[in-house]
Amino acid sequence: KNEVEQSPQNLTAQEGEFITINCSYSVGISALHWLQQHPGGGIVSLFMLSSGKKKHGRLIATINIQEKHSSLHITASHPRDSAVYICAVRRGGGADGLTFGKGTHLIIQP
Amino acid sequence: DVKVTQSSRYLVKRTGEKVFLECVQDMDHENMFWYRQDPGLGLRLIYFSYDVKMKEKGDIPEGYSVSREKKERFSLILESASTNQTSMYLCASSLAGRGFFGPGTRLTVL
Repeated sequence: KNEVEQSPQNLTAQEGEFITINCSYSVGISALHWLQQHPGGGIVSLFMLSSGKKKHGRLIATINIQEKHSSLHITASHPRDSAVYICAVRRGGGADGLTFGKGTHLIIQP
Repeated sequence: DVKVTQSSRYLVKRTGEKVFLECVQDMDHENMFWYRQDPGLGLRLIYFSYDVKMKEKGDIPEGYSVSREKKERFSLILESASTNQTSMYLCASSLAGRGFFGPGTRLTVL
């Protein structure tokens, strides 16, 4: 079983829809990251969370440490939001390397 | 803005060749990482470094080595490239747990 599980793997939605991507993890963590990868490979860090909720524009990320679960929400989705969204955790215990989920491929249709 | 650059976006090499992938960051970060990304497997950590001349194995170090002679530069070395090392290679640096990624190098080994 992977240490970081994302769902769904693929998601196609219409412009304007509210999008939710989920991430569950099975190890102790010190932080959780949400990353965005556009076609061509470039990765952008969206959020780093250790508790609660963060908001940036139309993006909202939440984490529940007790349930070992995080969600990424996109409000009023737009075709330019089409990308792969990756959840990654930094394990507790000092290691700084990240463990990644396999990503969610999101397509927003006009 | 933090900038992480990688020496090549695309690289084609032959089996048995020695391959160098270079990564440079301009923000004096101590931590640097090399990942590979493969369809269905997501991102996996190959090696990381906490400081100059320091290196630590990640999850999949076999067939790779690294060099960190200067703080800003972290090199990934394939001593004898093999076809199963065809992949997208991503370099990252981090500060306070937040990762900054390079654009990636898509390596094809023929």
